Amino acid sequence: QKEVEQDPGPLSVPEGAIVSLNCTYSNSAFQYFMWYRQYSRKGPELLMYTYSSGNKEDGRFTAQVDKSSKYISLFIRDSQPSDSATYLCAMTPYSSASKIIFGSGTRLSIRP
Amino acid sequence: EAQVTQNPRYLITVTGKKLTVTCSQNMNHEYMSWYRQDPGLGLRQIYYSMNVEVTDKGDVPEGYKVSRKEKRNFPLILESPSPNQTSLYFCASSFEAGSSYEQYFGPGTRLTVT
Repeated sequence: QKEVEQDPGPLSVPEGAIVSLNCTYSNSAFQYFMWYRQYSRKGPELLMYTYSSGNKEDGRFTAQVDKSSKYISLFIRDSQPSDSATYLCAMTPYSSASKIIFGSGTRLSIRP
Repeated sequence: EAQVTQNPRYLITVTGKKLTVTCSQNMNHEYMSWYRQDPGLGLRQIYYSMNVEVTDKGDVPEGYKVSRKEKRNFPLILESPSPNQTSLYFCASSFEAGSSYEQYFGPGTRLTVT
């Protein structure tokens, strides 16, 4: 079993919809959680960074961490075609600057 | 402009021929790391470095070496490349202070080993 599981998709939604992306994990020691966006043929771009449980909002993006269920989510409100990309979750137990484990990524497509 | 550069961007080589992929950052970040990305497997960390002369293994270090002699540079060395090291490689640098965290990835190096 992988330490971090992420549905690969593809996920296709109409423009303006709320998108929900999710990851589950097995290691209860994970404390730092990240979400990245990766456009085709580009390097990943850090979107959200959270520590422990709770919610964090940044513009149209909300990251949610539920450590009791070992489940993290990224919500995208008012989705735009420019949000079409692969989204990767990642997590680490000690510090975000050390060993990081990534999910395999979810491919998202926003239909105009 | 914050930047992580990698060279070369594309490389085709033969089994056993030593190669180095360079990585450089201009943000004075302490932390740097290398990843490989393969279809269906996501990003897997190869090595990371928390400062000059401080490196540690990630998830998939076998067949790779790194060095951190200067803060800005973190080269990835394949002493004897094999076909299973054909992959897309990313270098990243990061900075953390309290609840603040920033991280930048390079553009990637596509390596093919025949």
